[in-house]
Amino acid sequence: DIQMTQSPSAMSASVGDRVTITCRASQGISNNLAWFQQKPGKVPKRLIYAASSLQSGVPSRFSGSGSGTEFTLTISSLQPEDFATYYCLQYNNYPWTFGQGTKVEIK
Amino acid sequence: EVQMVESGGGLVQPGGSLRLSCAASGFTFSTSTMTWGRQAPGKGLEWVSVISASGDNTEYGDSVKGRFTISRDNSKNTLYLQMNSLRVEDTAVYYCGKGWFDRWGQGTLVTVSS
Repeated sequence: DIQMTQSPSAMSASVGDRVTITCRASQGISNNLAWFQQKPGKVPKRLIYAASSLQSGVPSRFSGSGSGTEFTLTISSLQPEDFATYYCLQYNNYPWTFGQGTKVEIK
Repeated sequence: EVQMVESGGGLVQPGGSLRLSCAASGFTFSTSTMTWGRQAPGKGLEWVSVISASGDNTEYGDSVKGRFTISRDNSKNTLYLQMNSLRVEDTAVYYCGKGWFDRWGQGTLVTVSS
């Protein structure tokens, strides 16, 4: 099975900060990676698919990059509504696997 | 508007069975790959299963393989998850998803406890 390792597991940031979250795959997954945002008590929401394609309706401050084994989610200017937990998902090989999550908290 | 509504969750004893349903609307269900995922209380997301649009192809996560069965009825726009031999560690909110989780349902809670 492919292991997805996210870093950091948690972070504190301020409104306006540039935030970068990394996801590393234990083997190459091409660009078959998605990023999700989940707020407490809410349903996850897909932000990015195919590593760098922005989901319709998602603000352009979110961007994704990478291919192969290393991927990043970047929030260019953190907004109050962005404090949440973020997950990556590889869907290149079965079983699909999520990263363990990155909690972004207010500094 | 894309909508998916899960049902069928509840409290079940270890070793028991449940069948979850996911009623879909607002998109062409019969041409869409569909997925189940879950989230244990206070934990991260876990992929459970996927089924092709026709229903001919299915895949499962390691932790549920041999115990859970995914199926669909395209005439009813409904996705199912038959869960047998349930374990305490299967306790979670179960979500259905469209495709590669581009949309999620609201989830249904399954609690496995004696």
